[in-house]
Amino acid sequence: EDKVVQSPLSLVVHEGDTVTLNCSYEVTNFRSLLWYKQEKKAPTFLFMLTSSGIEKKSGRLSSILDKKELFSILNITATQTGDSAIYLCASGGGADGLTFGKGTHLIIQP
Amino acid sequence: ETGVTQTPRHLVMGMTNKKSLKCEQHLGHNAMYWYKQSAKKPLELMFVYSLEERVENNSVPSRFSPECPNSSHLFLHLHTLQPEDSALYLCASSQELQSSYNSPLHFGNGTRLTVT
Repeated sequence: EDKVVQSPLSLVVHEGDTVTLNCSYEVTNFRSLLWYKQEKKAPTFLFMLTSSGIEKKSGRLSSILDKKELFSILNITATQTGDSAIYLCASGGGADGLTFGKGTHLIIQP
Repeated sequence: ETGVTQTPRHLVMGMTNKKSLKCEQHLGHNAMYWYKQSAKKPLELMFVYSLEERVENNSVPSRFSPECPNSSHLFLHLHTLQPEDSALYLCASSQELQSSYNSPLHFGNGTRLTVT
């Protein structure tokens, strides 16, 4: 059975801190690893990673994939209160589609 | 505006009611999905449609019945639900089937369903 495990499940930091969110995966048919941000309702797409060692960057957010160790990290630098959200990791893409993790609930305190 | 629109936003229904959730995507995508999001559980895939044909039914109880009349619209018909079915139901679409291509999902805002 495919499995995606995220850690920590929740995290509270102060504005300006840097955070690292973790995602490990065990999937039968790996095609990609995806990160989403879910604030109130709709998860919004952040990154899709398919190759090891290549960092993807968007502003203060960056992510990297390690296909040998089967994990990915999402980094957020100089955090702002608007970064408060649930961050979802998903992987797979085979016949069963994507498997999602439970998410990391990130709270940024002013 | 996410490109994927779901109605209603909130729904409260009794166990004997029949209701339908609606999803419309304005992105020209070929695949559409229903996901269930319960508290403290991962997103669970319920149904997958590609070009209006169902390609995946993830062992969902028959009290949930999907309908995809065209590639832009997806419905989830509900009848005789149980209180444990209360959850956020998310519709998503992707350019191609998630299982075949590296194609990110685009989600709607969801319908918050409460079964009393």
